[in-house]
Amino acid sequence: KNEVEQSPQNLTAQEGEFITINCSYSVGISALHWLQQHPGGGIVSLFMLSSGKKKHGRLIATINIQEKHSSLHITASHPRDSAVYICAVREEDNDMRFGAGTRLTVKP
Amino acid sequence: EAQVTQNPRYLITVTGKKLTVTCSQNMNHEYMSWYRQDPGLGLRQIYYSMNVEVTDKGDVPEGYKVSRKEKRNFPLILESPSPNQTSLYFCASSLVAPSSYNEQFFGPGTRLTVL
Repeated sequence: KNEVEQSPQNLTAQEGEFITINCSYSVGISALHWLQQHPGGGIVSLFMLSSGKKKHGRLIATINIQEKHSSLHITASHPRDSAVYICAVREEDNDMRFGAGTRLTVKP
Repeated sequence: EAQVTQNPRYLITVTGKKLTVTCSQNMNHEYMSWYRQDPGLGLRQIYYSMNVEVTDKGDVPEGYKVSRKEKRNFPLILESPSPNQTSLYFCASSLVAPSSYNEQFFGPGTRLTVL
């Protein structure tokens, strides 16, 4: 069992819909990251969290440390949001572990 | 421009032929890391370095070596590549170890095929 589980694996939405991607982890962590991997392969860091909530434009990330769960929300989704979204945790011993990713397709 | 560069971007080689994938960052970052990405397995950490001359094994270090002789460079060495090392490799760096305040910057990736 992967220490970092993401759901759903694949998600198709219509433009304008509200999107939620979930991440659950089973290990003690010092930080959680959300990454975006573009269709061309490049990876960009979206958020780094250790508690609470962060917002950047239409993207919102939340984390509940007690429940070992994080969510990434996209409001007013757009076709350019189509990408793979990856949850990553930094364990307390400094190892980085990654979820398998959620492939999001937003149709116009 | 602040960036992480990797070379080569694409490489096809044969089993047993030693190769090095270079990684360089121009942001004076202390932390650097190598990952491999495989279908169905996602990203997995190979090695990381908290600072010059300090390297540690990640999740899947077997078959790889790294060195950190200077802050900006963190080469990944495959002494005797095997087909199971065919993968997409990413180098990343951050100011210090990734935290809630330290963003990781990723290189463009190196697609390696070992025949």
